[in-house]
Amino acid sequence: DADVTQTPRNRITKTGKRIMLECSQTKGHDRMYWYRQDPGLGLRLIYYSFDVKDINKGEISDGYSVSRQAQAKFSLSLESAIPNQTALYFCATSDRTGQGAGETQYFGPGTRLLVL
Amino acid sequence: SQQGEEDPQALSIQEGENATMNCSYKTSINNLQWYRQNSGRGLVHLILIRSNEREKHSGRLRVTLDTSKKSSSLLITASRAADTASYFCATVTWGSNYKLTFGKGTLLTVNP
Repeated sequence: DADVTQTPRNRITKTGKRIMLECSQTKGHDRMYWYRQDPGLGLRLIYYSFDVKDINKGEISDGYSVSRQAQAKFSLSLESAIPNQTALYFCATSDRTGQGAGETQYFGPGTRLLVL
Repeated sequence: SQQGEEDPQALSIQEGENATMNCSYKTSINNLQWYRQNSGRGLVHLILIRSNEREKHSGRLRVTLDTSKKSSSLLITASRAADTASYFCATVTWGSNYKLTFGKGTLLTVNP
């Protein structure tokens, strides 16, 4: 089984709808992240969480919210979806190694979201 | 704005040749990482180099870091068709907040 899973893998929704993307991990990592990827723009960090009680905004958090329900679960919500939120969304995890020590991120397979 | 910028945006080579990709960044970093992404799939970590390191090797991969020039390079030796993918650099900084920034990537095509 995959260490980092995302559901759904594909989603089509309409403008104004609320949707939730879910991420689960079995790696036992404290840190989890949400990114979006757009063609030609690379990955941009939306939110990150270093433990269950720690949630931080990333580079592009406007229009998104997150919930860290447990160490293993981190969900991303679009309260009112708009077409420019059409993108590929990735969840990632990393282990706690200390500031400056560096950490590897492990990515899920991605959720392809289309907002009409 | 992007912290890391890869160069070139696209690279096409023949199997067996070496591939070199470069990454430039703007501000001081704690570490720099390289990731690989096969089309439409999740990223896979390749190698991490810390700011006090100058070179690292992993199999056919060689990464260099020049903090004075704020640049890094990824060399893949003896390339294979299976190396065809997009390659991203990511910089990590620890200040008042943690910040990880990915570049836009280099699309490598290795022709059989």
